[in-house]
Amino acid sequence: AQKITQTQPGMFVQEKEAVTLDCTYDTSDPSYGLFWYKQPSSGEMIFLIYQGSYDQQNATEGRYSLNFQKARKSANLVISASQLGDSAMYFCAMRELLYNFNKFYFGSGTKLNVKP
Amino acid sequence: DTAVSQTPKYLVTQMGNDKSIKCEQNLGHDTMYWYKQDSKKFLKIMFSYNNKELIINETVPNRFSPKSPDKAHLNLHINSLELGDSAVYFCASSRSGRSSYNEQFFGPGTRLTVL
Repeated sequence: AQKITQTQPGMFVQEKEAVTLDCTYDTSDPSYGLFWYKQPSSGEMIFLIYQGSYDQQNATEGRYSLNFQKARKSANLVISASQLGDSAMYFCAMRELLYNFNKFYFGSGTKLNVKP
Repeated sequence: DTAVSQTPKYLVTQMGNDKSIKCEQNLGHDTMYWYKQDSKKFLKIMFSYNNKELIINETVPNRFSPKSPDKAHLNLHINSLELGDSAVYFCASSRSGRSSYNEQFFGPGTRLTVL
């Protein structure tokens, strides 16, 4: 089974609007971390935000927030007030802590296009 | 003060050649990784080293051989290059240990084109 599933290959959003990028994960490990990365067209991978499985609050970093629903095993990324510079590929990733704790699992990515 | 650096950034070569990509990190991390990103942007882990010891070795042709001379360096050597090896190769590093908040830091990537 896929460890990380991103069901939206591509998305469009109007500038200044909010957008949600979906991510579901599959693990039997009680302790894990969830990450989002941004890959602009220039190619580098940029770490955006992190959520630990035991964190009570949803993570936030500036305009990025992570909508963590543990029971549903989802970790959606919310970008508020989209900007043209947000156009990029976005990857969701997970790290399990009990098993294979040095391995990161990545989703297939979502390509976000922000329209002016 | 680059955190994770890779050389070269671009590599264009003929089929059948042997080439190497070098990676260095100055973050003090003890775990390093090689990923391959294909044209559809799928990121596939290839190898991981922890303190110079190979800990992850995914199903990768044995033409690919990683080498870690010390925990700050992880090189990738590819023998007998094939057209299908064309991709972007990313090096990454992280702290190991059972803390979930150990994100990976990525290098800028090496775009390999095999002609």
